[in-house]
Amino acid sequence: DAGITQSPRHKVTETGTPVTLRCHQTENHRYMYWYRQDPGHGLRLIHYSYGVKDTDKGEVSDGYSVSRSKTEDFLLTLESATSSQTSVYFCAISERNEQYFGPGTRLTVT
Amino acid sequence: SQQGEEDPQALSIQEGENATMNCSYKTSINNLQWYRQNSGRGLVHLILIRSNEREKHSGRLRVTLDTSKKSSSLLITASRAADTASYFCATDASRESGGSNYKLTFGKGTLLTVNP
Repeated sequence: DAGITQSPRHKVTETGTPVTLRCHQTENHRYMYWYRQDPGHGLRLIHYSYGVKDTDKGEVSDGYSVSRSKTEDFLLTLESATSSQTSVYFCAISERNEQYFGPGTRLTVT
Repeated sequence: SQQGEEDPQALSIQEGENATMNCSYKTSINNLQWYRQNSGRGLVHLILIRSNEREKHSGRLRVTLDTSKKSSSLLITASRAADTASYFCATDASRESGGSNYKLTFGKGTLLTVNP
């Protein structure tokens, strides 16, 4: 987890509220990713970034938006949280092929 | 859809035994990687094998790749209790398949339990 932090680490929120998760890196890696991990589904890509202000959708992007205004920060926003977005969210960074993961954020939507 | 699928879903062995996990994928790839995840933690990169390689070693890990069968295996020799974790394969689809080498697709993982 060195060089990658996620905040908050745990969050409980109510349906319909907005939520923003933050990923911060100190490695100056070009690529940043947001995944969600759910039992039975493994790890699924939500959005990724290939540079400042350059982002693209992943496999499960509906209901999520992202922003990257600085190399080191990648924000994931749930505009109006739903119970189906209860999950563990992982940020990852990459410069070439290997990805390096943060410690995860456990989000519960009640 | 999932690119990689691991088999078995769960594996329980005794300390000192070898553990073999398999991964199958659907499209042509640039590279295949294996990751480990300890309970409650993020994934950790273990090893990468390129599409033109057939076998690679790293310590007690041995990875094979058969591109004709679109499959890979991860062998952990002389397992230890500390090897207890989930293991994931991840692939990056080749450009011909519409992919790129910076975007990975992960399988659902194999849960390995090593009993002391």
